[in-house]
Amino acid sequence: DQQVKQNSPSLSVQEGRISILNCDYTNSMFDYFLWYKKYPAEGPTFLISISSIKDKNEDGRFTVFLNKSAKHLSLHIVPSQPGDSAVYFCAALVSGNTGKLIFGQGTTLQVKP
Amino acid sequence: NAGVMQNPRHLVRRRGQEARLRCSPMKGHSHVYWYRQLPEEGLKFMVYLQKENIIDESGMPKERFSAEFPKEGPSILRIQQVVRGDSAAYFCASSPDQQETQYFGPGTRLLVL
Repeated sequence: DQQVKQNSPSLSVQEGRISILNCDYTNSMFDYFLWYKKYPAEGPTFLISISSIKDKNEDGRFTVFLNKSAKHLSLHIVPSQPGDSAVYFCAALVSGNTGKLIFGQGTTLQVKP
Repeated sequence: NAGVMQNPRHLVRRRGQEARLRCSPMKGHSHVYWYRQLPEEGLKFMVYLQKENIIDESGMPKERFSAEFPKEGPSILRIQQVVRGDSAAYFCASSPDQQETQYFGPGTRLLVL
């Protein structure tokens, strides 16, 4: 039962263009969402988060959009840089619960110079 | 402020041996989470601990796996009588509070021969 899904295993983008990573969820109880970035042989690094009371959160080149009615969120990276090449994980949790994160399968982003 | 520390980074065990994975949370963090990442998959929640207490172990296999977070010292994830299917990357995360962002360590890569 995959409650958080990242249906695109990989994405390739040219440097300077926009990268859009997508994430869908099924559990309507999720009310907090996070994006993590992971390089090989390292742990996930927190990027940006959004609460369900918002529909957009922006931090520098990273913007996360949340569409609650569609149970869909996306991460926009603009402009994309070669150093952004990594695996991106979407994660969700239920506030007031134990804080355990439910992760998607990840999307591998490759930014070409 | 040092990040989450995990050791060893790599661990090789033969079937039937025991594996002990250690996690030292970030300074000031009293909440520890363990996740497992199997090859080609996302991270899966295993257990959530506070000092001397297991809060949520809903993701832990019922047998052979145990976790602790003593009053002094690191959190330990213990796997008894390892099998090949236990081969995975095990990540520890910590947070200052239950609903705060979790910060991950570099992981321990367990290989069972």
